[in-house]
Amino acid sequence: GAGVSQSPSNKVTEKGKDVELRCDPISGHTALYWYRQSLGQGLEFLIYFQGNSAPDKSGLPSDRFSAERTGGSVSTLTIQRTQQEDSAVYLCASSRDSFRETQYFGPGTRLLVL
Amino acid sequence: AQTVTQSQPEMSVQEAETVTLSCTYDTSESDYYLFWYKQPPSRQMILVIRQEAYKQQNATENRFSVNFQKAAKSFSLKISDSQLGDAAMYFCAYINTDKLIFGTGTRLQVFP
Repeated sequence: GAGVSQSPSNKVTEKGKDVELRCDPISGHTALYWYRQSLGQGLEFLIYFQGNSAPDKSGLPSDRFSAERTGGSVSTLTIQRTQQEDSAVYLCASSRDSFRETQYFGPGTRLLVL
Repeated sequence: AQTVTQSQPEMSVQEAETVTLSCTYDTSESDYYLFWYKQPPSRQMILVIRQEAYKQQNATENRFSVNFQKAAKSFSLKISDSQLGDAAMYFCAYINTDKLIFGTGTRLQVFP
């Protein structure tokens, strides 16, 4: 596609449930990033993938968060046993490479944990 | 650790006027890139402008320009001839190698 796409656009879940958020990067982009945007914490890095290298998971807030990227393209961010503090907008971005390349963002998924 | 500071939570400007959004950052690196992103209510972050630290010339993109002061670690965004469609959150961001570090954002309102 022309840009980064994310699904679902909005997700409401109950505390304790697992959720999966999907990101489809721009075709040909080798780097993919997940960021979280919340009222209390602003925009924070979660994880990024570059080609076939091991992902940089240094921003994941807890072991309830995980992500995978299949075939170097689509990525799924999974949050297990969701908590109310997980409520936020989850933004995905991709770039041609990871070294100082401009990152292009998707529209985000707004997650609300009740 | 690198940090990015946007000290203006909100700004307002009248249509057709000029407004400047401030950004300062802290880093010990000498080579890095800086960005301004715009986030309208649709949530999608849109790149406005990018500046390479090794370039002395200030970047410009149509009505958007930056004032990059490397020694002062300052990176302000000037919007000329403001339009109603410029109303959005604006985020300043820094990148050294791969991860973006964002400021807290400035909400820009544009009045007709």
